[in-house]
Amino acid sequence: EIVLTQSPGTLSLSPGERATLSCRASQSVSSSYLAWYQQKPGQAPRLLIYGASSRATGIPDRFSGSGSGTDFTLTISRLEPEDFAVYYCQQYGSSTSFGQGTKVEIK
Amino acid sequence: EVQLVESGGGLVQPGGSLRLSCSASGFTFSSYAMHWVRQAPGKGLEYVSAISSNGGSTYYADSVKGRFTISRDNSKNTLYLQMSSLRAEDTAVYYCVKSQVPYDFWSRMDVWGQGTTVTVSS
Repeated sequence: EIVLTQSPGTLSLSPGERATLSCRASQSVSSSYLAWYQQKPGQAPRLLIYGASSRATGIPDRFSGSGSGTDFTLTISRLEPEDFAVYYCQQYGSSTSFGQGTKVEIK
Repeated sequence: EVQLVESGGGLVQPGGSLRLSCSASGFTFSSYAMHWVRQAPGKGLEYVSAISSNGGSTYYADSVKGRFTISRDNSKNTLYLQMSSLRAEDTAVYYCVKSQVPYDFWSRMDVWGQGTTVTVSS
């Protein structure tokens, strides 16, 4: 099973700042089958990024994904108030697994 | 509108059983693998189970293998999760989730239900 480790656990930033979230896999993720989800309190997760770098339908272009192999990054170029949430990565290249999440909180 | 609506959650004693249902609408249910993902209170996402589009293949996380059974009825556009020998650590919100890519067993997940809460406690 591929284990995904996200860092940092919590990111404290101000609106307008840039957020950089990391997801590291214990083995190479085939074909960059890596997705990112956003979850707000009391809500279900929402798909943001798939295939490591493709934005899902309706996702603003301030969200971008990059990486390959074992190292992946989600970048939010300028944080909006609605972006403060928990973010999870998921690999779906070999069975599937989720990272433990990164909370982006208001500083 | 694509929609998933879970039902069947509730309070159950340790060792008990519960069946969750997920009613799907707005898409061709029989073309997509479906999944159950759970989230314990204050915790992250945990993958539980998957079933192929035609129901012929299934997958279970080690934590539920032998206790949970996933199934689907494509004629009713409904996904199920039969849970037995429930433990306190099964307490969670259970989400029904749709694969984004038709027929792919492992896929990113583009539609999530609102979740149904299962509480295992005496």
